[in-house]
Amino acid sequence: SQQGEEDPQALSIQEGENATMNCSYKTSINNLQWYRQNSGRGLVHLILIRSNEREKHSGRLRVTLDTSKKSSSLLITASRAADTASYFCATGNNNDMRFGAGTRLTVKP
Amino acid sequence: ETGVTQSPTHLIKTRGQQVTLRCSSQSGHNTVSWYQQALGQGPQFIFQYYREEENGRGNFPPRFSGLQFPNYSSELNVNALELDDSALYLCASSWGAHMQETQYFGPGTRLLVL
Repeated sequence: SQQGEEDPQALSIQEGENATMNCSYKTSINNLQWYRQNSGRGLVHLILIRSNEREKHSGRLRVTLDTSKKSSSLLITASRAADTASYFCATGNNNDMRFGAGTRLTVKP
Repeated sequence: ETGVTQSPTHLIKTRGQQVTLRCSSQSGHNTVSWYQQALGQGPQFIFQYYREEENGRGNFPPRFSGLQFPNYSSELNVNALELDDSALYLCASSWGAHMQETQYFGPGTRLLVL
């Protein structure tokens, strides 16, 4: 069964706009990760945020984590056509890693 | 540094057959995890191998089995294939026994069961 639920399921924006994706989960976690997947191929790790962190930045990516609400958000600023992909949140706890169903982001040039 | 590789890239089997998928982990990594990703869904955790031992398992039946070799490469075996086994199979390598660390994914093997 999947742990995380991404919202929205699909998002379409113009190049240069910001994209925000949300993830909710159900059980306690050690960390939360975001991954990107292009065209049904392998996943690429974007960022990891630990349960004792509230916000993390990496280049144009900003991730927040609210453990009291069991939710996280991924913000991509100044989006580019190359950001078109599916984005997944994944929650890790001991020997279990669970992914959501993903948000499909389309960035139009 | 060599990335995660998987073989074959595509595979077509018929129902009831058996299949073996292979994964070479990234150099320096000692843990391999396998995932099944159905079309339009997120990856589902199958199992993890750490130092040649199964270290965790998702909700998959026993006909899904695996191995990890001394060089940390790994195999996923699926017996008695069913139509619903059609999916993208991903392996990921990492360092250490804990699933919560960053995982590095291979490009996947796309399996079609007819």
